[in-house]
Amino acid sequence: DVKVTQSSRYLVKRTGEKVFLECVQDMDHENMFWYRQDPGLGLRLIYFSYDVKMKEKGDIPEGYSVSREKKERFSLILESASTNQTSMYLCAISDRDLYEQYFGPGTRLTVT
Amino acid sequence: GESVGLHLPTLSVQEGDNSIINCAYSNSASDYFIWYKQESGKGPQFIIDIRSNMDKRQGQRVTVLLNKTVKHLSLQIAATQPGDSAVYFCAVWVYSGNTPLVFGKGTRLSVIA
Repeated sequence: DVKVTQSSRYLVKRTGEKVFLECVQDMDHENMFWYRQDPGLGLRLIYFSYDVKMKEKGDIPEGYSVSREKKERFSLILESASTNQTSMYLCAISDRDLYEQYFGPGTRLTVT
Repeated sequence: GESVGLHLPTLSVQEGDNSIINCAYSNSASDYFIWYKQESGKGPQFIIDIRSNMDKRQGQRVTVLLNKTVKHLSLQIAATQPGDSAVYFCAVWVYSGNTPLVFGKGTRLSVIA
């Protein structure tokens, strides 16, 4: 079974705090993705990575950065959290091809 | 680029009836299509996929139909059960280098017992 774990299911942070969301996979897959999911807007791609230390911007990278120092771990960083970053954050992985993505359980982040 | 739209944001069906969820895409070069199911509080789960060289694929109680002429994709669920209540997303992939999946906004399926 594919296993994608995210560091927290629920997280509450204050405006201006630095926030780290971690995603870990046990499948040795090449590609990892970060999405945010909001009602009425569906899944929107923030960043993805197709190799260690490689990253590509998605559709909405502003206000976010990422880090991939090891193949199995992909971190999403909110440098200075804002209330409009309150959302569900989903990590996904895929093998060499960029389809067949497998998702983690999600982190519901609330910024107050 | 690619854009993906769904015809209905919500759908209610009677338990035991068949459900049909539709999706439209814009890029005729789209190569691969996936349906995901997302239950409340969970991440999306892969249900079924289809490549552009096929027009129909069947799984267990689910069928995906692809009409490339009108760029339309549908998911049919036979004998809908309460456990099928979820949000369903279609996702489309175009083979063009490092371009990931493009997701539709989702249809919330509610099953009435």
